[in-house]
Amino acid sequence: AQKITQTQPGMFVQEKEAVTLDCTYDTSDPSYGLFWYKQPSSGEMIFLIYQGSYDQQNATEGRYSLNFQKARKSANLVISASQLGDSAMYFCAMREGRGSNDYKLSFGAGTTVTVRA
Amino acid sequence: DAGVTQSPTHLIKTRGQQVTLRCSPKSGHDTVSWYQQALGQGPQFIFQYYEEEERQRGNFPDRFSGHQFPNYSSELNVNALLLGDSALYLCASSSYVRISYEQYFGPGTRLTVT
Repeated sequence: AQKITQTQPGMFVQEKEAVTLDCTYDTSDPSYGLFWYKQPSSGEMIFLIYQGSYDQQNATEGRYSLNFQKARKSANLVISASQLGDSAMYFCAMREGRGSNDYKLSFGAGTTVTVRA
Repeated sequence: DAGVTQSPTHLIKTRGQQVTLRCSPKSGHDTVSWYQQALGQGPQFIFQYYEEEERQRGNFPDRFSGHQFPNYSSELNVNALLLGDSALYLCASSSYVRISYEQYFGPGTRLTVT
């Protein structure tokens, strides 16, 4: 079974508007971490934001915020005030196990975001 | 402070050949993980190295092997290349003793098998 599901293959957003990228996950481990990465056409995976399963507050990093709904197993990324440079592929990923040195990440299939001027 | 570096950037090989990809972790990191990213897909975990040993392995055949050196740099070797091995290979580094989410990726090596 897929551990991470991203159902939006591609999205268009107008510059300066907000966009929400969907991510649902599947795990029976009570301890896990959820990540969002940005991958421009150059290929490098750029870390955006992290949410731990025990974190009470939704994570925020600048224009990025993570809408964490634990009961629904959902971890949507919100990008506010979109910029042309936000055009890229976005991946949701999960790491299972707390306090372990397990850095294995399970990735979703990704969502391509295109920002229009 | 150098980030994660990978070499070469691009590589073209023929079916049946062998290839070696290299990765140097970010300064202060001692753990290296390798991922394979086929075109249009998310990365898939290959294996993780710490203290020169393979600690975890994903669902990849034995044709994929690796090595970690005392300076924490790592190599990924793929034998008997198949067309399906064409992908972007990403290296990620982290710190084994620091329990955190910190994991940084390199720019990747794009392998084309013809």
